[in-house]
Amino acid sequence: AQSVTQLGSHVSVSEGALVLLRCNYSSSVPPYLFWYVQYPNQGLQLLLKYTSAATLVKGINGFEAEFKKSETSFHLTKPSAHMSDAAEYFCAVRNSGGSNYKLTFGKGTLLTVNP
Amino acid sequence: DGGITQSPKYLFRKEGQNVTLSCEQNLNHDAMYWYRQDPGQGLRLIYYSQIVNDFQKGDIAEGYSVSREKKESFPLTVTSAQKNPTAFYLCASRVRGELGTDTQYFGPGTRLTVL
Repeated sequence: AQSVTQLGSHVSVSEGALVLLRCNYSSSVPPYLFWYVQYPNQGLQLLLKYTSAATLVKGINGFEAEFKKSETSFHLTKPSAHMSDAAEYFCAVRNSGGSNYKLTFGKGTLLTVNP
Repeated sequence: DGGITQSPKYLFRKEGQNVTLSCEQNLNHDAMYWYRQDPGQGLRLIYYSQIVNDFQKGDIAEGYSVSREKKESFPLTVTSAQKNPTAFYLCASRVRGELGTDTQYFGPGTRLTVL
């Protein structure tokens, strides 16, 4: 079964600093991977997704993620944090094969941006 | 204006009462999902439906029930059998993509508090 592990339940950065949120996956087949963002008391918004077309995926709001098969990782980065980036971020992997499409989510990483 | 709506945003119920959460989408998506979110737990799948009049249990279906009589609607009932129903509930629908690149999109959520 597929799974994802998000290292660090809480990450704190200064405004303008690099953002790095870590996600490692477990999958027996090439995975489909997603990053979502959630602002307080709201639903999840898709940031980006990896579907094997390119290992470096660019998303919305200046975020990008790199798929590294050798490290089974899909870390999310942003060169310069903005106050508006403060939110909770979730990594997710799609179940492999079959017609029943399901996502398995990590436990989330809360990003705090300090002025 | 296309999207996924969930109502109400906040819901309070007394212990032992059944309660139904609404989820509607006008995106013409076939598949719909219900998740439960608890602090530090990520999202856990309750039920999903790939097509009208069909649905499957997710990872934590006990104490919940659903119906899918219309493509646009996927209501979730939290029954009195659910031992700890206080949580944030998220509904999602899935858009088809090429070569397995299907993507889930989320509604704004309903926060249920059982007193």
